[in-house]
Amino acid sequence: GAVVSQHPSRVICKSGTSVKIECRSLDFQATTMFWYRQFPKQSLMLMATSNEGSKATYEQGVEKDKFLINHASLTLSTLTVTSAHPEDSSFYICSARDPFGRSSYEQYFGPGTRLTVT
Amino acid sequence: GNSVTQMEGPVTLSEEAFLTINCTYTATGYPSLFWYVQYPGEGLQLLLKATKADDKGSNKGFEATYRKETTSFHLEKGSVQVSDSAVYFCALSLSGGGADGLTFGKGTHLIIQP
Repeated sequence: GAVVSQHPSRVICKSGTSVKIECRSLDFQATTMFWYRQFPKQSLMLMATSNEGSKATYEQGVEKDKFLINHASLTLSTLTVTSAHPEDSSFYICSARDPFGRSSYEQYFGPGTRLTVT
Repeated sequence: GNSVTQMEGPVTLSEEAFLTINCTYTATGYPSLFWYVQYPGEGLQLLLKATKADDKGSNKGFEATYRKETTSFHLEKGSVQVSDSAVYFCALSLSGGGADGLTFGKGTHLIIQP
């Protein structure tokens, strides 16, 4: 089946620094990738939709200047948390859609990245 | 707006017990409905889906029926196994799940004891 990886799986950074999270589709080309954020005991909240070669579409309330998303190739999308603060500590999950796959409606999820800002 | 409400866990059952995890939704349009499962240390995986009223999604012994009149999509399994221990998420999409992001419930942690 389709596999999506994320790197790193865990990252700790100091307040004020930036951190980049990568999301890769390993065996398919993903024209669309999604970034979610999950707080403890909360549901996944959609942050933005990333389309290859175009600007990301952010959900209401998500700061686009703080959460920079780049989808420069059909297999890679990156989320950069700029000037991170402790309140940005969370679990970030990406998913990817394979438009040519067996199930074009299905999103394939990465294992997530745990970000801790100290 | 769109929202999904599911029973909060943890839900603890003995092996071979009957499982029901409730899920209800509100949506501005006609949604497709999904159940995703997350095993420890892994990403979410699609368990089953239904795209229109009265559709029944099924997979691995799990079933859920799209009930438009009650806006529900309850997950059931007749006899659970220890290997079913995981977190289950109910979700909806207005585009069929492909073109736009999903709206998730909070997840239900299921623990099956031998």
